[in-house]
Amino acid sequence: DAKTTQPTSMDCAEGRAANLPCNHSTISGNEYVYWYRQIHSQGPQYIIHGLKNNETNEMASLIITEDRKSSTLILPHATLRDTAVYYCIVRVDGAGTASKLTFGTGTRLQVTL
Amino acid sequence: NAGVTQTPKFQVLKTGQSMTLQCAQDMNHNSMYWYRQDPGMGLRLIYYSASEGTTDKGEVPNGYNVSRLNKREFSLRLESAAPSQTSVYFCASSFAGGGGGKQYFGPGTRLTVT
Repeated sequence: DAKTTQPTSMDCAEGRAANLPCNHSTISGNEYVYWYRQIHSQGPQYIIHGLKNNETNEMASLIITEDRKSSTLILPHATLRDTAVYYCIVRVDGAGTASKLTFGTGTRLQVTL
Repeated sequence: NAGVTQTPKFQVLKTGQSMTLQCAQDMNHNSMYWYRQDPGMGLRLIYYSASEGTTDKGEVPNGYNVSRLNKREFSLRLESAAPSQTSVYFCASSFAGGGGGKQYFGPGTRLTVT
């Protein structure tokens, strides 16, 4: 699986959009971009994933650049409850593949009043 | 629908003791996983079971054994605990194949080995 690079930490004011970048310059054509978050010491929580098109769900939006070498997770209106460590993971999907996730150290997002 | 449950929540062991961490899921998932997380680090995969009846080593399998008891349950055993195994252990589950990247995690077991 391709390696990812994320900033160590970021701050965001409550109510503003939080934009979390991820670099995955060695991504290959069949690798998806996944985002998870971990609030305090709870188990990680799936947020969103995509291959090359932008994706949106009730939690967030995922913007993937045209060359797929980087992506941005957007939390449109951050709240204090969004304070967490956010992990960007790249992996191959598809029938027959081992579904292993490789977690780096992620980005610690602090949402403040 | 409880999702992924883990027992116990906390455990303290002495060096050399053994124990089994239990994990169960009620989402009819095919695949199950065990991860460990050391302070300030990301999660690392210990073992996984792609489907009932199969198990495979992950990134850090040494010192651990697993059993996929049935489709719902996946246990992790420490035969002779060492201080280096002090960590938080997370179990996860997912559908196999194309859905496997979307994993559901349990609340974790916090293990201290003295």
